[in-house]
Amino acid sequence: DAKTTQPNSMESNEEEPVHLPCNHSTISGTDYIHWYRQLPSQGPEYVIHGLTSNVNNRMASLAIAEDRKSSTLILHRATLRDAAVYYCILRDRVYGGSQGNLIFGKGTKLSVKP
Amino acid sequence: SAVISQKPSRDICQRGTSLTIQCQVDSQVTMMFWYRQQPGQSLTLIATANQGSEATYESGFVIDKFPISRPNLTFSTLTVSNMSPEDSSIYLCSVFGQGVRGRSQETQYFGPGTRLLVL
Repeated sequence: DAKTTQPNSMESNEEEPVHLPCNHSTISGTDYIHWYRQLPSQGPEYVIHGLTSNVNNRMASLAIAEDRKSSTLILHRATLRDAAVYYCILRDRVYGGSQGNLIFGKGTKLSVKP
Repeated sequence: SAVISQKPSRDICQRGTSLTIQCQVDSQVTMMFWYRQQPGQSLTLIATANQGSEATYESGFVIDKFPISRPNLTFSTLTVSNMSPEDSSIYLCSVFGQGVRGRSQETQYFGPGTRLLVL
């Protein structure tokens, strides 16, 4: 799996939008961009994923650059509960379905101030 | 309801002993993954467990140290053998949704983890 680069930490104020960047300059055409987060004392949980087009779900939005070499996870209104480590992970679609596994980098630790 | 449960949730063990961690999934899955998360670090894959075959270990992890069982499609155990303080970590079990119960087959689900402290 290709490597991703994320800032070690970021801070946000509660109820403000948060943009978490991720660089993946060596992404291949079959790599999906996945975002997971790990709340304190919990296992990681899925946030969102995409291939080329921007994606929205109830948790967040994923903006993918046209050249796919970077992406941004957007939390529209941060809450205290969003304080977590956010992982940007590439996973080869060739594996598909339930084959393969996620390889975690160091992620970005997001702090949310009241 | 939880996809994955793990037992024990935490334990404190003495050097040289072994601990077996159980992972129970609420649906049948092809593969189960075991990860380790050392203090302040990210997750590292230990091995992949398929039912009916030997587990596949990642570089740096060996079967003698981390034997894995996979007796059926909903259950697996990881044993941490001959423990030392360096084994103090969180151990997590993980599976893919596989399209069961409305879960995406692309999404990976994680258990709550087992927090191990070795003295």
